[in-house]
Amino acid sequence: QVQLQESGPGLVKPSETLSLTCVVSGTSISGYYWSWIRQSPGKGLEWIGYISYTWGTKYNPSLESRVAISVDTSKNHLSLRLSSVTAADTAVYYCARDFDPFEHWGQGTLVTVSS
Amino acid sequence: QSVLTQPPSVSGAPGQTVTISCTGSSSNIGAGYGVHWYQQLPGTAPKLLIYGNNNRPSGVSDRFSDSKSGTSASLAITGLQAEDEADYFCQSYDSSLSAYVFGGGTKVGVL
Repeated sequence: QVQLQESGPGLVKPSETLSLTCVVSGTSISGYYWSWIRQSPGKGLEWIGYISYTWGTKYNPSLESRVAISVDTSKNHLSLRLSSVTAADTAVYYCARDFDPFEHWGQGTLVTVSS
Repeated sequence: QSVLTQPPSVSGAPGQTVTISCTGSSSNIGAGYGVHWYQQLPGTAPKLLIYGNNNRPSGVSDRFSDSKSGTSASLAITGLQAEDEADYFCQSYDSSLSAYVFGGGTKVGVL
């Protein structure tokens, strides 16, 4: 059974970098695509980007200048970094397996951007 | 303002059928990109409900079905049950934005 668990700081200051980790269990991280998606009351669900260990990354153009997604196959986890955050980046962040559709989702982690 | 437009809410009595629309444009649904639907129960993460052309993941009831025509898609829930109370989102790809996009979500209520 595929399980994904997001974790990271719940509070990030404006202009700093948001860093999250998603631990994957029940399947190998190799051979699949892995996505990050966020959900906020103001902007709804927003796709951030995806990564494949074999085929690389693709980011939402609206966030591309600030986003980096990486995978660590030895730890079977993926990471998200979002730089220069503002209050508009406050959201619940989800990791998911695959894209189009997003097949399996983690439970999500709330990140608040505030000083 | 979401790229895919959904009604904010729909409701129905137990046993009835409700339909949720998802209206896009020529750069997403109208361009032939697949439409997928997700169910989000209160306090939980979205869950894939239907993908592609009426395909359901294992364990999803056949009371859920979808259709697509032109620049729109629809999700139908037949035999409405109390457990169907949730938010429902459509999702597709938009070639103008080069991004995967979601509808704003529809809250389904059971009267």
